[in-house]
Amino acid sequence: EAGVAQSPRYKIIEKRQSVAFWCNPISGHATLYWYQQILGQGPKLLIQFQNNGVVDDSQLPKDRFSAERLKGVDSTLKIQPAKLEDSAVYLCASSLVTGSNQPQHFGDGTRLSIL
Amino acid sequence: ILNVEQSPQSLHVQEGDSTNFTCSFPSSNFYALHWYRWETAKSPEALFVMTLNGDEKKKGRISATLNTKEGYSYLYIKGSQPEDSATYLCAFSGSARQLTFGSGTQLTVLP
Repeated sequence: EAGVAQSPRYKIIEKRQSVAFWCNPISGHATLYWYQQILGQGPKLLIQFQNNGVVDDSQLPKDRFSAERLKGVDSTLKIQPAKLEDSAVYLCASSLVTGSNQPQHFGDGTRLSIL
Repeated sequence: ILNVEQSPQSLHVQEGDSTNFTCSFPSSNFYALHWYRWETAKSPEALFVMTLNGDEKKKGRISATLNTKEGYSYLYIKGSQPEDSATYLCAFSGSARQLTFGSGTQLTVLP
């Protein structure tokens, strides 16, 4: 089975610019997650979708971050405008159903550097 | 804010050595504990999902135990190989059902 696809793999932008990341989950996976992993820390959940609805976005900085999953499949995460502290790896994951007893399947991530 | 601690932060072992790491998590409102392996330039890979106190799970040379009453899980690697070099992440799920990750243990196996 094809894994979770993410693009781009790397992105370098200047502060105050905008950036978008794309994720295609495993086919048939209803639940999609976006995580932010800052160097030296564990991944932090930004937003969780169940099909095209938001389950949890409590840790998403909504003044600058937005995410959508319009048709319940692919998802995009946007940052506008970027700040220096947004430098991180952005991981997308999916699972067959919602439920923390389900393993999550991760993409390779997008490494974002803000200059 | 949930506190999930992993120790040690990093570890170097010789090929053939056995090793283990610790994940500490809140002992209340436990729902599940996940272990993931994250190799450099690859995606995190699920190793185990553990839900019951006393659970022991095994995958090849890697095994894990769970103690929900005292809030800890151990990951063991028997006969470490260079390909085991990776960051090992644990993640706790409580009543909110979301995963809270530890900072990971970075393992380097020297040939």
